Amino acid sequence: DAGITQSPRYKITETGRQVTLMCHQTWSHSYMFWYRQDLGHGLRLIYYSAAADITDKGEVPDGYVVSRSKTENFPLTLESATRSQTSVYFCASSNERAGAYGYTFGSGTRLTVV
Amino acid sequence: KQEVTQIPAALSVPEGENLVLNCSFTDSAIYNLQWFRQDPGKGLTSLLLIQSSQREQTSGRLNASLDKSSGRSTLYIAASQPGDSATYLCATTGGGNKLTFGTGTQLKVEL
Repeated sequence: DAGITQSPRYKITETGRQVTLMCHQTWSHSYMFWYRQDLGHGLRLIYYSAAADITDKGEVPDGYVVSRSKTENFPLTLESATRSQTSVYFCASSNERAGAYGYTFGSGTRLTVV
Repeated sequence: KQEVTQIPAALSVPEGENLVLNCSFTDSAIYNLQWFRQDPGKGLTSLLLIQSSQREQTSGRLNASLDKSSGRSTLYIAASQPGDSATYLCATTGGGNKLTFGTGTQLKVEL
């Protein structure tokens, strides 16, 4: 199906483990983004990518790694998960003219670090 | 750094009432402003997108306005229904195509 898909929908992991959240979009949008949503902080940008092999830090990048070898995929890796990374993670995409067409979001991944 | 504020944080209204949600932002150099809806435990659904050159956008019972010079946007919901109950988020697009979100207004429409 066309759209933006995140997987898994729910994940429980232990402190110190590496975990990867997946994001896949079918529109060939050039821009992709990762946000986390926490009570009291709203949605905050973790990393974004303007094109394949081009990534940049957002507001809260520490403890996260991203890659973008293909336009359609933008995985987010927590190298050594901590309890403070318990959150809901949203992936989003937009074309290069985000100013004209806005953004589309995935359904989110609820991550719990125990 | 862009800061986006939404007032009120929570709102409860009876069914049928017209209501206004407010969004303010500190940096007027935006490309656009987008209003989203989020249901509990769900993702974000785009409602309206206003370009920086536009003053307002309408979709059904929703009307969003934008005043860049004063750093304000409003979302007007006419004839509210229980199905409108959700959290409403506004977000501005700035440099690097990045969205900056407000903290949202939690709306409850009661029968």
